[in-house]
Amino acid sequence: DTEVTQTPKHLVMGMTNKKSLKCEQHMGHRAMYWYKQKAKKPPELMFVYSYEKLSINESVPSRFSPECPNSSLLNLHLHALQPEDSALYLCASSRTGVSYEKLFFGSGTQLSVL
Amino acid sequence: KNEVEQSPQNLTAQEGEFITINCSYSVGISALHWLQQHPGGGIVSLFMLSSGKKKHGRLIATINIQEKHSSLHITASHPRDSAVYICAVGTLNYGGSQGNLIFGKGTKLSVKP
Repeated sequence: DTEVTQTPKHLVMGMTNKKSLKCEQHMGHRAMYWYKQKAKKPPELMFVYSYEKLSINESVPSRFSPECPNSSLLNLHLHALQPEDSALYLCASSRTGVSYEKLFFGSGTQLSVL
Repeated sequence: KNEVEQSPQNLTAQEGEFITINCSYSVGISALHWLQQHPGGGIVSLFMLSSGKKKHGRLIATINIQEKHSSLHITASHPRDSAVYICAVGTLNYGGSQGNLIFGKGTKLSVKP
């Protein structure tokens, strides 16, 4: 199994809602990532978890809250988002997290904030 | 100046043509990644290389560390190759963490039948 599975594929939420994005992999990878991608732009790193610990937080607003319950799962909790947060949210994983490893991406969650 | 530059930004080709996408970078790297993104979002890692040349099917990736340049070649292009191709480099910041990938802006390829 070489897949990274993201759910849901599409999400529409209001600015007062609370929702969560989920990401799962069963490749035994110990590094997992959240990226945000706006249309026609490259992905922007949000968070990195390494061995279930948050290792990088790229100054992301607190309305985004990551969680890594175990080595296979990664969540992104969303609360009080703004319309400018509408984007494609991509999860990725790699074996240990060093920069010379292959990255495996999920198919993304397309988020619209109304 | 961006640390990772790709050219061209857009490319239209006829089916069967040989295609080259270029990537130049200005930082010291541990590895260079070529990624493919189809409309609808999902990203696929095509190659990860730190020297020389790699081949997979009709795709070939090369890197010249001294010149800080990489190319992605597609032989016998097909409409299903239509996608955005992204070059990304891993640096040695963050203790060599994958978290410091620097992405190029991508090359949008359209292959016409």
